[in-house]
Amino acid sequence: KAGVTQTPRYLIKTRGQQVTLSCSPISGHRSVSWYQQTPGQGLQFLFEYFSETQRNKGNFPGRFSGRQFSNSRSEMNVSTLELGDSALYLCASRNSGANVLTFGAGSRLTVL
Amino acid sequence: AQSVTQLGSHVSVSEGALVLLRCNYSSSVPPYLFWYVQYPNQGLQLLLKYTTGATLVKGINGFEAEFKKSETSFHLTKPSAHMSDAAEYFCAVSDRTGNQFYFGTGTSLTVIP
Repeated sequence: KAGVTQTPRYLIKTRGQQVTLSCSPISGHRSVSWYQQTPGQGLQFLFEYFSETQRNKGNFPGRFSGRQFSNSRSEMNVSTLELGDSALYLCASRNSGANVLTFGAGSRLTVL
Repeated sequence: AQSVTQLGSHVSVSEGALVLLRCNYSSSVPPYLFWYVQYPNQGLQLLLKYTTGATLVKGINGFEAEFKKSETSFHLTKPSAHMSDAAEYFCAVSDRTGNQFYFGTGTSLTVIP
């Protein structure tokens, strides 16, 4: 079984730009969660999608948004990038009824 | 509300020594508890989990953790550290729906040869 795939792995943007990150979950997993990881802050929960619906949302500004497609693939978008958005963005998928998150390798975003 | 506290953001041990990484949680209901490991430039990998049953849980790579309800703790241990254990370790808690997970801020483990 293929794991969770995140693209791109690395990207560099400048302030004010926007970025879209993609996550393909494990086949059959309908829940996809996104986390922001920064040094000293650990993992901060962004949002969770299940069957194309946002089921939970963390405490992030509206510049952070996401969506999920019918094949369970998910994207997250950050608009009007700020320097503080530089982070590793992790996606995790979960099978219904299984309380285990399986993570992708992450997308490392650098904002200059 | 649930939360996780990991005591010690950095831990150093000598190769062959005991590894002890501390995790305390706060939860109003019996939680599910997890330890994840993250190697450089990688995502998080599940080490072990506690859901129900035996409070001593064994995971991969020789790690184990014990759920102590009275102490609200879930400390991670390994009898003998190996150089390959150097990584970032995260403790996490979820409620029984599993719809949301809460992670600690992580402990960076250094193994000294």
